[in-house]
Amino acid sequence: AQKITQTQPGMFVQEKEAVTLDCTYDTSDPSYGLFWYKQPSSGEMIFLIYQGSYDQQNATEGRYSLNFQKARKSANLVISASQLGDSAMYFCAMRENSGGGADGLTFGKGTHLIIQP
Amino acid sequence: DSGVTQTPKHLITATGQRVTLRCSPRSGDLSVYWYQQSLDQGLQFLIQYYNGEERAKGNILERFSAQQFPDLHSELNLSSLELGDSALYFCASSVAVGTSAASGELFFGEGSRLTVL
Repeated sequence: AQKITQTQPGMFVQEKEAVTLDCTYDTSDPSYGLFWYKQPSSGEMIFLIYQGSYDQQNATEGRYSLNFQKARKSANLVISASQLGDSAMYFCAMRENSGGGADGLTFGKGTHLIIQP
Repeated sequence: DSGVTQTPKHLITATGQRVTLRCSPRSGDLSVYWYQQSLDQGLQFLIQYYNGEERAKGNILERFSAQQFPDLHSELNLSSLELGDSALYFCASSVAVGTSAASGELFFGEGSRLTVL
């Protein structure tokens, strides 16, 4: 089973609108972290926001916020007041405490977001 | 600039050949991760090193190998290359998170784009 599911392969959004990118995850570990990365057309991976499984409040970073619904295993990224420069691929990722010392991230397939003027 | 340096940025080679991709992690980061990004497979975790030792293996082929040197830089060796190995190869680093899963984003290099003809 996929550990990270992003159900929106692509989205078109009007500039200045808010946009929500969906992410659901699957884990049995009580301690885990959820991450969002942005990949513009230039290719680099840019870290946006992090949410820990024990964090009481939803994470926010500027125009980015994470709508964390633990019971639903959902970690949606919300971008407020979208800008043309937000056009990119967005990846949701998870780190589990799987034991053995491995602490890499598992990524979803991504959502291609296009902001239209 | 993430602080992670990858060389070369682009590489074109022929089937059956061998290439080496190099990565210098952020100053102070002990963990290095290698990922492969292709259109059909998305971002796949290959292997992780921590302070010179292999820590976790993902979907790394037997034709591929990696190591981390005492100065913490890492190399990914790809041999007997096939057309399907064409991809963007990312190196990422992070601070040592030990067994804690709920902290520490990965900082990605700009990637090495490998084209096998």
